[in-house]
Amino acid sequence: DTEVTQTPKHLVMGMTNKKSLKCEQHMGHRAMYWYKQKAKKPPELMFVYSYEKLSINESVPSRFSPECPNSSLLNLHLHALQPEDSALYLCASSQETSGQETQYFGPGTRLLVL
Amino acid sequence: GQSLEQPSEVTAVEGAIVQINCTYQTSGFYGLSWYQQHDGGAPTFLSYNALDGLEETGRFSSFLSRSDSYGYLLLQELQMKDSASYFCAVRDNYGQNFVFGPGTRLSVLP
Repeated sequence: DTEVTQTPKHLVMGMTNKKSLKCEQHMGHRAMYWYKQKAKKPPELMFVYSYEKLSINESVPSRFSPECPNSSLLNLHLHALQPEDSALYLCASSQETSGQETQYFGPGTRLLVL
Repeated sequence: GQSLEQPSEVTAVEGAIVQINCTYQTSGFYGLSWYQQHDGGAPTFLSYNALDGLEETGRFSSFLSRSDSYGYLLLQELQMKDSASYFCAVRDNYGQNFVFGPGTRLSVLP
């Protein structure tokens, strides 16, 4: 099974709302990632978890808060977002974070902030 | 930090061969990966080069020259379904930061 699942597929929220994005993988991978992708742009790394510990936060605003409850799950909590945060949010996983590991991407959550 | 450069667009006809180039500047280098992304879809892994030379996987091949900080993805026997965006990507010296190039949009014409 090489599947990464993400919920919801689509999300519309106001700037005062609180919502969460969820990601799950059952490949036994120990690294999980959150990316943000704007239209016609490459994915931009936001967070990396390695063995359930946050190892990289690419200076992401605090209105995005990641959580890794266990090695299979990854959440992204959203609060007080801005319209410019509207984007496709992609979750990915890989076996490790050293050397080359194929990253497996989920289908993404398309977020619209009004 | 890292920076990668790719052509923004490439157009070719079915059955043709196309090469997508990628040049990179990194503070360290593990290897060069290639990903494909169809409109509305997620990136999918295509290929990886850590050492100089050519890696072949079916219709797709990838090449790396570490001394030139350059690589390319070669797509043969193009099919309509190959129309997509193609990204090169690198890991930094510490192996954790992962950066994608700007992407090349490939259009395959009948």
